[in-house]
Amino acid sequence: EPEVTQTPSHQVTQMGQEVILRCVPISNHLYFYWYRQILGQKVEFLVSFYNNEISEKSEIFDDQFSVERPDGSNFTLKIRSTKLEDSAMYFCASSPQTASYGYTFGSGTRLTVV
Amino acid sequence: GNSVTQMEGPVTLSEEAFLTINCTYTATGYPSLFWYVQYPGEGLQLLLKATKADDKGSNKGFEATYRKETTSFHLEKGSVQVSDSAVYFCALSANQAGTALIFGKGTTLSVSS
Repeated sequence: EPEVTQTPSHQVTQMGQEVILRCVPISNHLYFYWYRQILGQKVEFLVSFYNNEISEKSEIFDDQFSVERPDGSNFTLKIRSTKLEDSAMYFCASSPQTASYGYTFGSGTRLTVV
Repeated sequence: GNSVTQMEGPVTLSEEAFLTINCTYTATGYPSLFWYVQYPGEGLQLLLKATKADDKGSNKGFEATYRKETTSFHLEKGSVQVSDSAVYFCALSANQAGTALIFGKGTTLSVSS
């Protein structure tokens, strides 16, 4: 069964450093997403991406965040200057043309900012 | 705006007990509804879904029926197993490609033998 792949599984970074989280969505999916889950809390939407541009973003997705699809397969989330409160599990997801088919999530990257 | 409300957890059950996790939603139009499950240390897996009123989603013995009149999508299982211990998330999406999936806060289920 096709899956969404995320790397790394765990990233530790110093406060103020830049991090890039990587994802390989399912190849025939058209929409890509990033979500985050702070430990023990709800899963929060960050951003959706379609046709090489952001289609929707939440209040959390401020100027410190950016997304990119640098080639035909990868989808990245960059945090420019990490803060302690960015520590969370970050999930990538992708979906096909029709929303009702559901979203396939990767297994996540645990980001720890120290 | 769209939102999802789930019953507070944790839910603690003995093996073979009946499970209900309540989920209600607020949405404009006709959303699609989902249940996702997160096993310890893992990502989010789609458990079941329903795309229109009165649809019943089912998978692995779990069921949920899309009730538009009560704006609910309660998750049920007739006989839980220890392996069902996980966090369960109810979610909705507006029926439009590429829109954000909105999650409830999650309900932790713990099943003991």
